[in-house]
Amino acid sequence: DAGITQSPRHKVTETGTPVTLRCHQTENHRYMYWYRQDPGHGLRLIHYSYGVKDTDKGEVSDGYSVSRSKTEDFLLTLESATSSQTSVYFCAISESRPYQETQYFGPGTRLLVL
Amino acid sequence: AQTVTQSQPEMSVQEAETVTLSCTYDTSENNYYLFWYKQPPSRQMILVIRQEAYKQQNATENRFSVNFQKAAKSFSLKISDSQLGDTAMYFCAFMKSGGSNYKLTFGKGTLLTVNP
Repeated sequence: DAGITQSPRHKVTETGTPVTLRCHQTENHRYMYWYRQDPGHGLRLIHYSYGVKDTDKGEVSDGYSVSRSKTEDFLLTLESATSSQTSVYFCAISESRPYQETQYFGPGTRLLVL
Repeated sequence: AQTVTQSQPEMSVQEAETVTLSCTYDTSENNYYLFWYKQPPSRQMILVIRQEAYKQQNATENRFSVNFQKAAKSFSLKISDSQLGDTAMYFCAFMKSGGSNYKLTFGKGTLLTVNP
């Protein structure tokens, strides 16, 4: 299994509070991704990173920001959490070499915003 | 933009039998990858199988095989000798190759239940 951990694994928070989720990898992969999973939607890309300090938006980026100051860590921040951000959040990593782009996923973080 | 459609929200199969999960996709790209991921009740996303679009041969991994029809934009997953541990949500996913990122576009999933 790819060395990917996510913290926390579960979190309950209140509307309007900031929340930061952490993804940590031990594989030294260049690419890291944040997805959210909601019933009836599959997984949708929030943000991704293609290197330290290099990030870009995905299809559902509103209300989220990310940072990557080290290769191994990719942080997802909800500046002011809303109930619509209640979801399961997955981090993924991949290589950038041809034919090595398969994404491997972390265990997920279940977030409940009350 | 790419879209991935899984038309079967739920399926069931008896243990030891064979089941096929359907996936169609829409893209104007010629070079891409297709994947099937499995998500058991533990919620971990597990790669099942991968297919490169340039390869005519269908990918196989033990009891799992695909039927890749590029012209029809179809990518079905066949599970042979189904086991109770195969009970999971299955997601089909598309990735364009050769780009500056490797984003996955997922279908909405098919919930497969294997009955004893």
